[in-house]
Amino acid sequence: RKEVEQDPGPFNVPEGATVAFNCTYSNSASQSFFWYRQDCRKEPKLLMSVYSSGNEDGRFTAQLNRASQYISLLIRDSKLSDSATYLCVVNYGGATNKLIFGTGTLLAVQP
Amino acid sequence: DAGVIQSPRHEVTEMGQEVTLRCKPISGHDYLFWYRQTMMRGLELLIYFNNNVPIDDSGMPEDRFSAKMPNASFSTLKIQPSEPRDSAVYFCASSLSRGGWAGELFFGEGSRLTVL
Repeated sequence: RKEVEQDPGPFNVPEGATVAFNCTYSNSASQSFFWYRQDCRKEPKLLMSVYSSGNEDGRFTAQLNRASQYISLLIRDSKLSDSATYLCVVNYGGATNKLIFGTGTLLAVQP
Repeated sequence: DAGVIQSPRHEVTEMGQEVTLRCKPISGHDYLFWYRQTMMRGLELLIYFNNNVPIDDSGMPEDRFSAKMPNASFSTLKIQPSEPRDSAVYFCASSLSRGGWAGELFFGEGSRLTVL
């Protein structure tokens, strides 16, 4: 089983739609969780951290389910500029900064 | 402020040649990570340093790969000899720790390596 797994997509959605991505991780001792965004042929950039209580940043909401070992990202009112690959990131194990990236989910927002 | 700087941006070389990739992290950051990205495998962590000391190199594919961080402002990733399967984008990222945890990773623009 991969350490971090994501549905590669692509998710093709119309502008204004709500879309959700899930990510599962294998190590129950993981403690840090993030979503990064990567535009085509660019470097990844932090989108948001994921906290146990869930957190929201504008149109983006992240949730963590420790019991089921998955993380979700919800994007409301999709914009054309949201088109990118969304990468789930988890630290491997407890007190380690070994950050493992999922292979990413491709989102294409259509006009 | 300058971000993470990587060089070269692109390199095309022949199998068997030595390749050296360079990285200058953001000043003051105490963590440095080397990742490799391919279509098939995504972003793979190769090695990371904390305060110039290698902490985990379990992702380094084999002995052909080596990484050093002689000081806080410079790191290298060397492949010797290179093989076609090493073709990938190599990213360097730096981070400032918060309470012992690596914070947000700031990535360089990557070095795109093609081994013929």
